[in-house]
Amino acid sequence: DVKVTQSSRYLVKRTGEKVFLECVQDMDHENMFWYRQDPGLGLRLIYFSYDVKMKEKGDIPEGYSVSREKKERFSLILESASTNQTSMYLCASSSDRVLKKLFFGSGTQLSVL
Amino acid sequence: DAKTTQPNSMESNEEEPVHLPCNHSTISGTDYIHWYRQLPSQGPEYVIHGLTSNVNNRMASLAIAEDRKSSTLILHRATLRDAAVYYCVPNAGNMLTFGGGTRLMVKP
Repeated sequence: DVKVTQSSRYLVKRTGEKVFLECVQDMDHENMFWYRQDPGLGLRLIYFSYDVKMKEKGDIPEGYSVSREKKERFSLILESASTNQTSMYLCASSSDRVLKKLFFGSGTQLSVL
Repeated sequence: DAKTTQPNSMESNEEEPVHLPCNHSTISGTDYIHWYRQLPSQGPEYVIHGLTSNVNNRMASLAIAEDRKSSTLILHRATLRDAAVYYCVPNAGNMLTFGGGTRLMVKP
């Protein structure tokens, strides 16, 4: 089975801190995605990547950046965390760019105080 | 972007069939329809997908209307472990867009 691992289940940070959320997948998938999930808003796509060193903006990229130095790892970066970035962050990967059958990690609940 | 409409919540009795509806009237002719579900404290997991004809797998069945403006996810015998939020997700463009989904509650 595909495994998508997110480095932390819970994270508490202070306003203004730089935050790194790490995601690793073990199935050699080319495509990786970062979503955030908020009550009443569903899942919203932040960034995605179809290849190493490649990134594309999703629906809500403001306040975030990403890094994809290796195929298996996709990092989400909050340059200066703010309270409105308190959310559940979900990483996903897929092998097929067209069909996009996604495999998700368990999520990181980030609280920014 | 393709938009979807799903009921906020539905209730079912254990071991009875469940039909979860989704309207996606703006979907284009080449967009696949995916369904995912999210169990408590977990990320979403893939359930099934289809394009035009009905589809079956070990988890569920997917019935797609002839005009493709709606689809129905069918769980043939609901169990307590099927209690989750079910998302109908059009596969359009570069991304999958998840709406609010339907929270399915299963009563013993």
